[in-house]
Amino acid sequence: NAGVTQTPKFQVLKTGQSMTLQCAQDMNHNSMYWYRQDPGMGLRLIYYSASEGTTDKGEVPNGYNVSRLNKREFSLRLESAAPSQTSVYFCASSLSSGTNEQFFGPGTRLTVL
Amino acid sequence: AQRVTQPEKLLSVFKGAPVELKCNYSYSGSPELFWYVQYSRQRLQLLLRHISRESIKGFTADLNKGETSFHLKKPFAQEEDSAMYYCALKNTGGFKTIFGAGTRLFVKA
Repeated sequence: NAGVTQTPKFQVLKTGQSMTLQCAQDMNHNSMYWYRQDPGMGLRLIYYSASEGTTDKGEVPNGYNVSRLNKREFSLRLESAAPSQTSVYFCASSLSSGTNEQFFGPGTRLTVL
Repeated sequence: AQRVTQPEKLLSVFKGAPVELKCNYSYSGSPELFWYVQYSRQRLQLLLRHISRESIKGFTADLNKGETSFHLKKPFAQEEDSAMYYCALKNTGGFKTIFGAGTRLFVKA
């Protein structure tokens, strides 16, 4: 099992460009999450999907959209990238809310110039 | 508001010395507390959770509701413990997990 996979690993964008970060899990988990990690701030939840077909805002959703494509895949889209979105993005999944452990992907390092 | 505070950005100890990584939280309900760890070039992974009351890799953490703390302790640090440690809080049955800023532990030989 690959666990949680993310693509791409690195990306450089210019201000105003758009892109989609892909995430997939092969553990048959119901819940999936997108976080961003910034120096000195830990991980902050952007959006989450409690189950297939549902998505909800997290702590810092502005400037992002998400799609739960199916049970396996949860994508994060930046419609018009800004320098403030320069960060490391982590996708995670968990079996459900009742199962507390989250499994993380390797991360995507995004730089917006 | 929910908040997790890890007051130390960096903690450096010698091999064999005791180590304590501090975590304080603010939460009005019934929280679930976790410690996650990220070793060099590895993914973030769960180390332990308070409901399990277990010892993992020699680490323990006790939830102190009176002091709203969940400090991570190990009596004898090993070089392989060097990593980034994150304390996290989640509302019981919910989805939103709040992470602290993290503490980098460096264990010197």
